[in-house]
Parts: sequence; C-alpha cells; structure tokens
Amino acid sequence: QVQLVESGGGVVQPGRSLRLSCAASGFSFSSSGMHWVRQAPGKGLEWVAVIWYDGSNKYYADSVKGRFTISRDNSKNTLYLQMNSLRAEDTAVYYCARDKDYGGKGGIDSWGQGTLVTVSS
Amino acid sequence: DIVMTQSPDSLAVSLGERATINCKSSQSVLYSSNNKNYLGWYQQKPGQPPKLLIYWASTRESGVPDRFSGSGSGTDFTLTISSLQAEDVAVYYCQQYYSTPFTFGPGTKVDIK
Repeated sequence: QVQLVESGGGVVQPGRSLRLSCAASGFSFSSSGMHWVRQAPGKGLEWVAVIWYDGSNKYYADSVKGRFTISRDNSKNTLYLQMNSLRAEDTAVYYCARDKDYGGKGGIDSWGQGTLVTVSS
Repeated sequence: DIVMTQSPDSLAVSLGERATINCKSSQSVLYSSNNKNYLGWYQQKPGQPPKLLIYWASTRESGVPDRFSGSGSGTDFTLTISSLQAEDVAVYYCQQYYSTPFTFGPGTKVDIK
C-alpha cells in the first residue's frame, strides 16, 4: 500500500532554514507527480508546490516562491522541501502528497500524516 | 491565480438527510481538448490528513461510498452526500488542478443536526 512518511519538522527561528523529507513506498515513485500541501493550525489547506515525476518541472504558490524549493531523488524514493527565510506565517503542518498524474494534474490521491513546522523566536 | 470559493461555510444535516456543498472557481477549469474538469473534492476529519473523494469533478475515488457524488462543469460544482452518516462529519474542500497554483477552497464544515 502507498506510504508517505514526512520528517524534518520542528521549531525554527524566523529567517532560518529547514529541510523536510518524505519517504515514499508502495508505489512507483518515479512515475508520480508529487506535492507539498500545508495547513496552518485551525486553518484550511494551502497548496505549496508540485514537482513532475522526473523533476523536470516545478511550480510554487506565490507565498513561497523564491524561498522554498521542491526536489526529489527517485533513486531514494524521497521528496524534499527546502525552506529558507522562514516566517511566522509558514507555521503549519506540511503534508507530502502523491498525484494520480505524472505532472500533478490528476488529483491528490495519497497523503502522508504530516510534519509540523513552527517558526518562532 | 484561480480563486476557489465554497458555500456554505458550514452546515448541519440530520442523519440520513442530504448534504449539498457548492464550489465555484473564478475561471473555468474545464479543459476543452479532453472535456475534463480539473476539480477534486477532499474530506478531512479532525487530526487526519485529507482524503480524496472525487476527481475530474464527478469520478468517485476507489473505495469511496456511493452516497458521495460530484457534479458541475466549468466554474460551478457541487458535492452531494445523499444520506448523511455519522462518519461523514468532517471538513470538505474543493481544489482546482487546472493551472498552478493549484488552489483549494476555504472548506465547508459538515455536522450532524
């Protein structure tokens, strides 16, 4: 069965960096578009970024563009989110998620349990 | 960017009754070349990640009970729960994946009356 396990969350000061990882198993990772989606405490879902199956295309929400970088290592079945210049408003649970489509345009059909990132001094 | 809105913000329905949630996109999410609406519906229960219910606006995900159905095209969409069950208490989100950024609606909370 599909498993997505996020790690790397924690408490970080404003302006600092953090890298999230997502270990994937149970499916053909190298054939799937992958997303990061976040949810601030008590708030709704916010799409963050998507990466194509082969890493050739990446797209971001305006709120993170220029600060966050999505990447993947298909040899390790792992998705990453490098987060730089973190702000208080980046505080959220970050979900790793699989798309039905290789390019992220098929609907998100599997989600990890999420990892909490808290940006605070 | 495509803005997604949902109505109502919340609703309370009696067990066994119908629940209807509306979702509107600021521009069409219908791709004319394949006649598909790039619109999904998700259910999120407290403390859990979201779960895909419907994709392509009206295709039920495998394993999702048939009391859940999606309809609509272009800019206006509806999620219907035909006979509300206790386990359907959750927040429901629509999302467009027609163009990046792939925006979500603000969510609709469904409770038992």
